[in-house]
Amino acid sequence: NAGVTQTPKFQVLKTGQSMTLQCAQDMNHNSMYWYRQDPGMGLRLIYYSASEGTTDKGEVPNGYNVSRLNKREFSLRLESAAPSQTSVYFCASSRLAGGFRGADTQYFGPGTRLTVL
Amino acid sequence: GIQVEQSPPDLILQEGANSTLRCNFSDSVNNLQWFHQNPWGQLINLFYIPSGTKQNGRLSATTVATERYSLLYISSSQTTDSGVYFCAVEGWDTGTASKLTFGTGTRLQVTL
Repeated sequence: NAGVTQTPKFQVLKTGQSMTLQCAQDMNHNSMYWYRQDPGMGLRLIYYSASEGTTDKGEVPNGYNVSRLNKREFSLRLESAAPSQTSVYFCASSRLAGGFRGADTQYFGPGTRLTVL
Repeated sequence: GIQVEQSPPDLILQEGANSTLRCNFSDSVNNLQWFHQNPWGQLINLFYIPSGTKQNGRLSATTVATERYSLLYISSSQTTDSGVYFCAVEGWDTGTASKLTFGTGTRLQVTL
């Protein structure tokens, strides 16, 4: 049981390049999330998926797109990377599906450290 | 949206000392979690505690929802407790799923 896995662990891009960050969970969770963490700050929600087939914007969605490929996988795409997107990206998952509130612990992957030059 | 403030921002302890970390939030919450981010960046969930008190080994947490704060207690600290501690909350005005708003964290360093 690997929990939440993310690939790659590190990535360096040039401004304008595109890339996709991959996330997978093996806990049969319904909800999945993408966060970014900038130095000295807490995590900010980029996008989330409350159930397979649905995605919604979080606090900082500009410059990103997501795909909930199936129940296990949730990818984050940067179409044209900018230096402001230099950050550590975390994927998380939680058991409950959309519409449920309350006791729903989120489990985090190890993160992807992205640098945009 | 809901605001989350954590204090102190930085804390240095000698091994064996006790400490209390505080999280204040600006609105009613139905979800509050404490996380530890270790020096390698991994985020570990410590407690789900929207109200009441919980204990897990040397760690315990108390949330007083009516007064909008939560406390994380670390007793007999060890060097492995070093890292950043985050409080994250979900307010009642969010929609689907469990959307957490994170505080900026308390950076703890435990020295020998």
